[in-house]
Amino acid sequence: EAAVTQSPRNKVTVTGGNVTLSCRQTNSHNYMYWYRQDTGHGLRLIHYSYGAGNLQIGDVPDGYKATRTTQEDFFLLLELASPSQTSLYFCASSGGGSSAETLYFGSGTRLTVL
Amino acid sequence: DAKTTQPDSMESTEGETVHLPCSHATISGNEYIYWYRQVPLQGPEYVTHGLQQNTTNSMAFLAIASDRKSSTLILPHVSLRDAAVYHCILRVDPNTGYQNFYFGKGTSLTVIP
Repeated sequence: EAAVTQSPRNKVTVTGGNVTLSCRQTNSHNYMYWYRQDTGHGLRLIHYSYGAGNLQIGDVPDGYKATRTTQEDFFLLLELASPSQTSLYFCASSGGGSSAETLYFGSGTRLTVL
Repeated sequence: DAKTTQPDSMESTEGETVHLPCSHATISGNEYIYWYRQVPLQGPEYVTHGLQQNTTNSMAFLAIASDRKSSTLILPHVSLRDAAVYHCILRVDPNTGYQNFYFGKGTSLTVIP
């Protein structure tokens, strides 16, 4: 069973604060993704990566940085958090390069920016 | 960029068969149709996917129109555990194009005991 683990589960910070969300996958997958989910919207892709040291820009990247340190670990960084970044964040992984592609998601991190 | 259209909500009774529709009128030839479902406080879970042919697995049956402009996810004998938001998603064949899953708002399925 594929496994994607996110931490923390909940995070509260203040405007201008520095936040790092962590994601680890033990699936030996090449691709990892960061999504945000807000009421009234579907999941929106922030950044993704197809391997250690690689970073690709998603659809809503403004205000976010990301870093893929190893094949297993993908981090999302908010260096100057704003209330508009209050959201539910999901990390996902996939093998890549196959027509039978499946995304495996973590349980999410709920971030509140006061 | 909404590439699929789904009803906001649907309701069913336990034991019934549910048909969840999805419209994708501008689908390209290399786009696969994926279905995921999501319960509150959890990440989306893969249900099924297809390209042209109908597909079936232990969770659901996916019926794809012959022109591929619409599809229907069929859930037989639903239980309370099937209550979730169901997302219909198009994805480009990763061997030929951009890697992304475009998630919309999905259909919220309520199952009544």
